[in-house]
Amino acid sequence: DTGVSQNPRHKITKRGQNVTFRCDPISEHNRLYWYRQTLGQGPEFLTYFQNEAQLEKSRLLSDRFSAERPKGSFSTLEIQRTEQGDSAMYLCASEDTRGHEQYFGPGTRLTVT
Amino acid sequence: AQTVTQSQPEMSVQEAETVTLSCTYDTSENNYYLFWYKQPPSRQMILVIRQEAYKQQNATENRFSVNFQKAAKSFSLKISDSQLGDTAMYFCAFRSHTGKLIFGQGTTLQVKP
Repeated sequence: DTGVSQNPRHKITKRGQNVTFRCDPISEHNRLYWYRQTLGQGPEFLTYFQNEAQLEKSRLLSDRFSAERPKGSFSTLEIQRTEQGDSAMYLCASEDTRGHEQYFGPGTRLTVT
Repeated sequence: AQTVTQSQPEMSVQEAETVTLSCTYDTSENNYYLFWYKQPPSRQMILVIRQEAYKQQNATENRFSVNFQKAAKSFSLKISDSQLGDTAMYFCAFRSHTGKLIFGQGTTLQVKP
């Protein structure tokens, strides 16, 4: 197993466009988390899934954001009508529920111009 | 609401010396997990060490150890025999009972040759 993977690694988009990011967790982990990190700051929680169920959403997750995890495997995070304030690193993590340790992917860096 | 505070934005240490990074947190929960993560420049977040709140013994992973003071809500990281590869941003994180991680603002550590 190669760990958590995220695609794309970088995305540049124009304001108002829609973007979608993908996260593939470690295969035996049933929890998957999304975080957002701006430059020089710690990551902020956005949402998480246990299997295919989305169990918690942060108030940071406006109605322009939607996340899915069909069949409890990979997850997608979509941002509609992007704004410049959406520019950030979007991190995905999967959790080993036995040890409660979250392992992070490399992130998708979004730049909205 | 839980909060995590890292009061040292930047620190430096000479190679082979020891450095301690501070972290305090606030919670009303009794059973929880604390973590230190390392984020090298432009690279992904790596789990360094984990502490379970119900364990009094401080966690140790090779050159990394913690000083966990539950009553004081303090969770510092000690790095012994610092190496150039330890240069990174270090984040303290609290795992809430729902699973999400709450991160501090981070401490940038520079190891000097």
